[in-house]
Amino acid sequence: AQSVTQPDIHITVSEGASLELRCNYSYGATPYLFWYVQSPGQGLQLLLKYFSGDTLVQGIKGFEAEFKRSQSSFNLRKPSVHWSDAAEYFCAVGGRTGGSYIPTFGRGTSLIVHP
Amino acid sequence: NAGVTQTPKFQVLKTGQSMTLQCAQDMNHNSMYWYRQDPGMGLRLIYYSASEGTTDKGEVPNGYNVSRLNKREFSLRLESAAPSQTSVYFCASSEGDRGTEAFFGQGTRLTVV
Repeated sequence: AQSVTQPDIHITVSEGASLELRCNYSYGATPYLFWYVQSPGQGLQLLLKYFSGDTLVQGIKGFEAEFKRSQSSFNLRKPSVHWSDAAEYFCAVGGRTGGSYIPTFGRGTSLIVHP
Repeated sequence: NAGVTQTPKFQVLKTGQSMTLQCAQDMNHNSMYWYRQDPGMGLRLIYYSASEGTTDKGEVPNGYNVSRLNKREFSLRLESAAPSQTSVYFCASSEGDRGTEAFFGQGTRLTVV
C-alpha cells in the first residue's frame, strides 16, 4: 500500500526567508508525486508534479520540488516566501490499489508566514 | 470552466438526520473521489469510483454510501448523521491514470449537532 508522511505539522518562516517542506513516500514502484496547496476555505490546487526524468521540477508560484529516490523524498522548496504563501500544503502519491488509481495524501503542513 | 462543483457549501444537521452531498465534474474524467478533511488528519478517502458504474470503499467508509449517477456525478449520502461526521468533505476527479492530477471541489463544511 502506498503512503505519504509529512513530518512537520506546522512550519513558521519570516517573509523573504527560504522554505523547505518535507515529504516522504512509500510506494512499491516508480512513484508519481504531487504537491498541492490549500488556501483557507478553498479546495486543493496543484503546485507541481513529478512523473519521471529531471528530478528537480518547477511549479507555479515560484515553488520547486526535488525527487530523491534513495531517500524516498519529494521535498518542496521556495527561495523567498511571500505572505500570500501562508496555507496548508499537501504531498500526495498516485498509485494503483486493487487495479484502481488512488491519490493518497499526507496529513499536510501548515505554513505560517511572519511579516 | 466549472471544474468540480460541490453542493451545498455549508450544512448543519441534527444527529440522526440524513443528507446527500452532490458533486459534478465537467472534465469528462473517469474517476471520482470523496475525501473528508479533519484537523491533523489530512485527507482521508471515504469512497471512490474508478469509472462509471463502479464504486469502492476507501479508508473510512463507515456511515456513508455513494452513487455514481453517471460519468459526471458522484454523490455521497449520510443515512443517519453522527457528530463524528462533522468535517469538511471534498469531492475530486481525475482521468484515472496514476500520473494525472486530481481536481478538487471547494468543499462542503458539515456540522452535526
